[in-house]
Amino acid sequence: DIQMTQSPSTLSASVGDRVTITCRASQSFSSWVAWYQQKPGKAPKLLIYKASTLESGVPSRFSGSGSGTEFTLTISSLQPDDFATYYCQQYFSYPITFGQGTRLEIK
Amino acid sequence: EVQLMESGGRLVQPGGSLRLSCAASGFSFSNHVMSWVRQAPGKGLEWVSGVSGSGATTYSADSVKGRFTISRDNSKNTLYLQMDSLRAEDTAVYYCAKGLNWGSNYMDVWGTGTTVTVSS
Repeated sequence: DIQMTQSPSTLSASVGDRVTITCRASQSFSSWVAWYQQKPGKAPKLLIYKASTLESGVPSRFSGSGSGTEFTLTISSLQPDDFATYYCQQYFSYPITFGQGTRLEIK
Repeated sequence: EVQLMESGGRLVQPGGSLRLSCAASGFSFSNHVMSWVRQAPGKGLEWVSGVSGSGATTYSADSVKGRFTISRDNSKNTLYLQMDSLRAEDTAVYYCAKGLNWGSNYMDVWGTGTTVTVSS
């Protein structure tokens, strides 16, 4: 199984900050990574797929990059609505696996 | 509007069985892979099982293999998860999610979830 290791587990930041979350895969593959945002008590929401493709309706301040074993999600200028938990997911091979999550909190 | 609605979650005793359902609407159900993803209280996301659009191909996580069975009825636009030999560690919110296809299974639509509690 492919393990996805996210860092950091918790990130404290302020409105307007640029933040980056990293996901490292236990084996190398191309771009089969998605990123999700989840707020308490709600279902996850797809932000990015194929490592860097922005899902329709997602603000352009979100971006993704990477290939091989390292993938990143960047939020260019944090907005109040962005404080949530973020997960990466690989869909290169089954079983599908998620990172353990990064909780983004207000500093 | 594309929508997924789970049902069937409840309190069940260890060793018991439960069947979850997920009713889909607003898209061509048979053209898409479907998955169950769960989230234990205070924990992260865990993919449980997936089924191809035709229903011919399935895959389950090792944690549920041999106990859970995913299936679908494309005539009813409904996804199922048969859960047998339930354990306390199966306690979670269970989400159904729509993917693009078997080889590109990122999940663009999620249901609101149904809660399964395994306890005596």
